[in-house]
Amino acid sequence: SAVISQKPSRDICQRGTSLTIQCQVDSQVTMMFWYRQQPGQSLTLIATANQGSEATYESGFVIDKFPISRPNLTFSTLTVSNMSPEDSSIYLCSVKEGTGPYEQYFGPGTRLTVT
Amino acid sequence: AQSVTQLGSHVSVSEGALVLLRCNYSSSVPPYLFWYVQYPNQGLQLLLKYTTGATLVKGINGFEAEFKKSETSFHLTKPSAHMSDAAEYFCAVSDDFGNEKLTFGTGTRLTIIP
Repeated sequence: SAVISQKPSRDICQRGTSLTIQCQVDSQVTMMFWYRQQPGQSLTLIATANQGSEATYESGFVIDKFPISRPNLTFSTLTVSNMSPEDSSIYLCSVKEGTGPYEQYFGPGTRLTVT
Repeated sequence: AQSVTQLGSHVSVSEGALVLLRCNYSSSVPPYLFWYVQYPNQGLQLLLKYTTGATLVKGINGFEAEFKKSETSFHLTKPSAHMSDAAEYFCAVSDDFGNEKLTFGTGTRLTIIP
């Protein structure tokens, strides 16, 4: 199974600033995903990031607020822009090693607190 | 659209007792079904999955789940709870028609009573 790391593991940020979260995988993967987990809540998919194409955003999430890069098959970044306290969440990246009946593997998450 | 319902946001069982976590799904196409576990301050770890074939699926740490199409259920069980099983458990669904997204349930927090 893929091993996924995320940086930073946690951060405390000021309102109005931006934070870029990195996701690194130890093998080449087809698909990468970014999720948000608000305090005490389940996971909500933000977007799907495929190499060589624009990210696909879910309803309620927009590129201006959550720009994503996917420069190669082992790396992706998610930026949380113009942050407000409502953005305080855990952000997780996940990967899928192929289309079809394959599971997603998750990184350890980035715990973001906005003050 | 797919959806997942987990009955019981909090479940408490005594150490050594049966663990039963409930998951019902809604999907218009044959689903892939997953159970993930999240320990405090960690990411999600896959417990088990159902794609096709045998409907009783065995996973890690002694957990198993049974896919029941007629009941649209995928309940998670473990015969004997251990203190280390205390965690948050998420049921998730995707479909096999090219939709790679996972839809998660709201989660069940499992507490083990010594």
